[in-house]
Amino acid sequence: AQKVTQAQTEISVVEKEDVTLDCVYETRDTTYYLFWYKQPPSGELVFLIRRNSFDEQNEISGRYSWNFQKSTSSFNFTITASQVVDSAVYFCALMYTGNQFYFGTGTSLTVIP
Amino acid sequence: KAGVTQTPRYLIKTRGQQVTLSCSPISGHRSVSWYQQTPGQGLQFLFEYFSETQRNKGNFPGRFSGRQFSNSRSEMNVSTLELGDSALYLCASSLTGSTGYTDTQYFGPGTRLTVL
Repeated sequence: AQKVTQAQTEISVVEKEDVTLDCVYETRDTTYYLFWYKQPPSGELVFLIRRNSFDEQNEISGRYSWNFQKSTSSFNFTITASQVVDSAVYFCALMYTGNQFYFGTGTSLTVIP
Repeated sequence: KAGVTQTPRYLIKTRGQQVTLSCSPISGHRSVSWYQQTPGQGLQFLFEYFSETQRNKGNFPGRFSGRQFSNSRSEMNVSTLELGDSALYLCASSLTGSTGYTDTQYFGPGTRLTVL
C-alpha cells in the first residue's frame, strides 16, 4: 500500500525561526515521485517541489530546502527564517506511475509575527 | 500562462440535487485530475481524464462522474447530493509525457460545495 505520513498536525513558530516539516512515505515501488504543496487560506494547492526516487540530491530554493533520504523513507521540508506569509497548510504527496497522488494529512504552519 | 481555472468558486445546493463543476486546464495540458478535500478524509483522488478518456478512478460511488472535452476542459458531476459531499473540489492539470504519466500537477483554486 502507498502511504504518506505527516505526523505534525499543527506547528507554531515565531517569525524568523527555522522550522522543519516531516514527511515519511511508504511504497513498494522502486520508481516513485515525491512532492510538496502549499495550501494557503485561499485553498489553491501551490506546487513547491518534485523529487524522483532515483535522485536523492537535496534541494535548496531560497529559504526552502528539502532533505530526501531513501534509507529512512523521508522527505522533510525546512523553511529557514520563517515569515508570516509562510503560514499555510503544507502537504507531502507520493505518486507512482498513474498520475494519482497519495497525499499526507497536511501540517498546518502558523508563523507568529 | 494562465493557471488552472475552476468555476464556480462557491456553490450551495440541497440534498438530492445534482451539481456540475467545471475546470479549464493550463494551456497545452492534456490531463485533468479531480480531488475532493474534506476535514475528515483529507485530499482524496476522484478521477483523471486524458484525451477525453477516464484513465484512473478513485474509490467514489457512481454518483460522481466526469468528462473531458476535446479542448481538455473537464467537468465533474455529482448526482443525488448528500450532506457528506460538502467539500472543496480541486482540479489539477498536467502535461503528461509519452513515456508515462507522472508529470507535475498544477492545481486550481477549487470549488467549495456546500450541501444543505
